[in-house]
Amino acid sequence: DVKVTQSSRYLVKRTGEKVFLECVQDMDHENMFWYRQDPGLGLRLIYFSYDVKMKEKGDIPEGYSVSREKKERFSLILESASTNQTSMYLCASSWGQTHQPQHFGDGTRLSIL
Amino acid sequence: KQEVTQIPAALSVPEGENLVLNCSFTDSAIYNLQWFRQDPGKGLTSLLLIQSSQREQTSGRLNASLDKSSGRSTLYIAASQPGDSATYLCAVRPDNAGNMLTFGGGTRLMVKP
Repeated sequence: DVKVTQSSRYLVKRTGEKVFLECVQDMDHENMFWYRQDPGLGLRLIYFSYDVKMKEKGDIPEGYSVSREKKERFSLILESASTNQTSMYLCASSWGQTHQPQHFGDGTRLSIL
Repeated sequence: KQEVTQIPAALSVPEGENLVLNCSFTDSAIYNLQWFRQDPGKGLTSLLLIQSSQREQTSGRLNASLDKSSGRSTLYIAASQPGDSATYLCAVRPDNAGNMLTFGGGTRLMVKP
């Protein structure tokens, strides 16, 4: 079974802090994704990566950056956290081949105070 | 821009009932469509993926159909059980969007014993 692991289930940080969310997958997937999920807005893609050191912006990249130094790990960085970044963050991964489903981690519920 | 809509937003049924969840999308130029399940406070679990050339996919009590030309997909759940209670999301991968998915808002299903 595919395992996508997010480092924290719950995280509380302060406004202005630099925040790191970590995601690791164990299936050698080429693609990795970061989403945020908000009531009434659904899931929105922040960034994705299709290879080591490669990244593409999603629908809402502002205020975020990402890092993929190793194939199994994809980090989401909030450069200077703000209260409107309080959300549920979900990481996913998939094979690079066509028609492969995305597999999700359990999510990190991030609160910015 | 692709938009994905799921109606109803919430559904409550008695145990044992067969039910249909609906998903519609505005742009029929899709690559595939995926159905997910999300339990409260958790990540998404992939249920079924239908390629654009396929009409349906089945897994156990679940059957998903796709009518690309009309921009619709349905998820049929046979003999519903309380354990099926969750939010069900559909997501489309547009032809021209690489690995990016566009999600619907989900249908929150409750199956009462």
